[in-house]
Amino acid sequence: DQQVKQNSPSLSVQEGRISILNCDYTNSMFDYFLWYKKYPAEGPTFLISISSIKDKNEDGRFTVFLNKSAKHLSLHIVPSQPGDSAVYFCAASELQGAQKLVFGQGTRLTINP
Amino acid sequence: GAGVSQTPSNKVTEKGKYVELRCDPISGHTALYWYRQSLGQGPEFLIYFQGTGAADDSGLPNDRFFAVRPEGSVSTLKIQRTERGDSAVYLCASSLLPDSPLHFGNGTRLTVT
Repeated sequence: DQQVKQNSPSLSVQEGRISILNCDYTNSMFDYFLWYKKYPAEGPTFLISISSIKDKNEDGRFTVFLNKSAKHLSLHIVPSQPGDSAVYFCAASELQGAQKLVFGQGTRLTINP
Repeated sequence: GAGVSQTPSNKVTEKGKYVELRCDPISGHTALYWYRQSLGQGPEFLIYFQGTGAADDSGLPNDRFFAVRPEGSVSTLKIQRTERGDSAVYLCASSLLPDSPLHFGNGTRLTVT
């Protein structure tokens, strides 16, 4: 049973435009959500997080939106840059500090020049 | 400062053999985690150490898998009687505190032939 789902395996975006990556979850106990970015042959690196008490968190070009009623979150990257090309994983946990993260399958983002 | 170091980076072994995978966390990080990533999937939680003790080993798939962290720093993931289905990238991560973001190593790619 996939508790965290990223339904788009891949996404291609023009450089300078907005990239929107989506994630859905089924476990209503999830309270804390994170996005990780992964380059080939490297481990995932933490990008941004959001607690369920918020609906938006912004860090530079990256913004995460959370819609608890829809059990949906999204990551917006604007403007997209070639270095953003990577696999992006959505992850969730039942509370901040519970490190048993449940990851989605990932979305491969390609930024075209 | 060095990141999380995992050795070996690649391991090929025959079905039925025993393997050990090593993780050196970031110095000073008290929490250490093992995840497993199969092809086309996101990382799956295996085990979490706080100090020397396993705080949560609920992700270990069966009793062929065991992990230790005897001195609260380096950890070893041990797999007995390996099976072809154990083939995956094994990721180690550490964090300064339990509620801090995870820092992942580059992983060990295990191939069981």
